[in-house]
Amino acid sequence: NAGVTQTPKFRILKIGQSMTLQCTQDMNHNYMYWYRQDPGMGLKLIYYSVGAGITDKGEVPNGYNVSRSTTEDFPLRLELAAPSQTSVYFCASSYSTRENTEAFFGQGTRLTVV
Amino acid sequence: AQKVTQAQTEISVVEKEDVTLDCVYETRDTTYYLFWYKQPPSGELVFLIRRNSFDEQNEISGRYSWNFQKSTSSFNFTITASQVVDSAVYFCALVFGSSNTGKLIFGQGTTLQVKP
Repeated sequence: NAGVTQTPKFRILKIGQSMTLQCTQDMNHNYMYWYRQDPGMGLKLIYYSVGAGITDKGEVPNGYNVSRSTTEDFPLRLELAAPSQTSVYFCASSYSTRENTEAFFGQGTRLTVV
Repeated sequence: AQKVTQAQTEISVVEKEDVTLDCVYETRDTTYYLFWYKQPPSGELVFLIRRNSFDEQNEISGRYSWNFQKSTSSFNFTITASQVVDSAVYFCALVFGSSNTGKLIFGQGTTLQVKP
């Protein structure tokens, strides 16, 4: 079972470059999320989506964009990378029903901006 | 405000000791969900348990147990007879029901080191 798959696992970007972090899930989950984890900190929500075509900002959306054209895919776009975006990025997905609310996470993408 | 606090930044124990990880939460919602996730050194996030606000029954699963107390807004996690493989960062997290989005609010995490 693939679950939530993120690519790439590691990436080094130069300041000002752009990139897209890919995320796909095969569990037919409605809800998908992007979180970032800074050293010694908990995860903070960047963007989320409750279904195809619907996205919304989380706690730390500046410098990022997302799209959700299909149920399976939720890419995260970084425009004009900055050192403050050096972090580990996690994609997650979950069902929308009350009884099945735990999120399943991808393996993470470690991004360094230099 | 919705908030999760894990006051213990790091805990170090010797193998076979019992250890309790503390979690205190704040929410105005009457319906909410609490979670514990484990992040081993390999970096992935592993779901451990979910608790609903309307179910205060505590749970034991093997060496793990959870103590949910609404009166003190706490959801503590205990590992009995700790093992080296338990070494990881443990996160407590909250989903408040009125958001209907499943957005997780994480605590800062507690790093547990179990020494042989």
